[in-house]
Amino acid sequence: GENVEQHPSTLSVQEGDSAVIKCTYSDSASNYFPWYKQELGKRPQLIIDIRSNVGEKKDQRIAVTLNKTAKHFSLHITETQPEDSAVYFCAASHNQAGTALIFGKGTTLSVSS
Amino acid sequence: GAVVSQHPSRVICKSGTSVKIECRSLDFQATTMFWYRQFPKKSLMLMATSNEGSKATYEQGVEKDKFLINHASLTLSTLTVTSAHPEDSSFYICSARASSLGTSGSPSYNEQFFGPGTRLTVL
Repeated sequence: GENVEQHPSTLSVQEGDSAVIKCTYSDSASNYFPWYKQELGKRPQLIIDIRSNVGEKKDQRIAVTLNKTAKHFSLHITETQPEDSAVYFCAASHNQAGTALIFGKGTTLSVSS
Repeated sequence: GAVVSQHPSRVICKSGTSVKIECRSLDFQATTMFWYRQFPKKSLMLMATSNEGSKATYEQGVEKDKFLINHASLTLSTLTVTSAHPEDSSFYICSARASSLGTSGSPSYNEQFFGPGTRLTVL
């Protein structure tokens, strides 16, 4: 089955700096890669996703890149703000309604002002 | 937008009792729902895939007789933790993926929507 590795486990940056979180996946058939932000005690919130037919997607300060050959994808947050502090999870799955997401172990991002 | 509700949000029970958690997709149909378990400061671990009208598919290491899943309709799945013990204390989250492509503002085929979670504490 799919296995998703995520690094780093913790990341501390100064406000305004960029943050990068990286994930690798094992199943070459996976073709959907979402990123979730989870605040303490809350549900995961989708912040951006990418499908395997594109290499990069951007939404304001957030971007995701995908390298299918190397089976890795990354989350980039620019101009970080204290409210970006949370746990971020990457995930991977097949593009089918009955397929679960397999999550990475998460990255705790701390943005200090 | 797509909304998944979960009830109860928090439950405290005595060891040996059973607890039922409901997961509902409020504005879309979900052929499949998923149940995850999350320990403090850990990732979401898939427990089982709940299929409407058929048996759930459990992940390796998850006891099907302990975690009973029923998916009776396209909008409701339930997880029952039977004979709960303190080690079952955790945050349980359900999610649902849309069954089909929707119009603008409706869930797309891939996106998975999470419920708010249920905090289970077994004393």
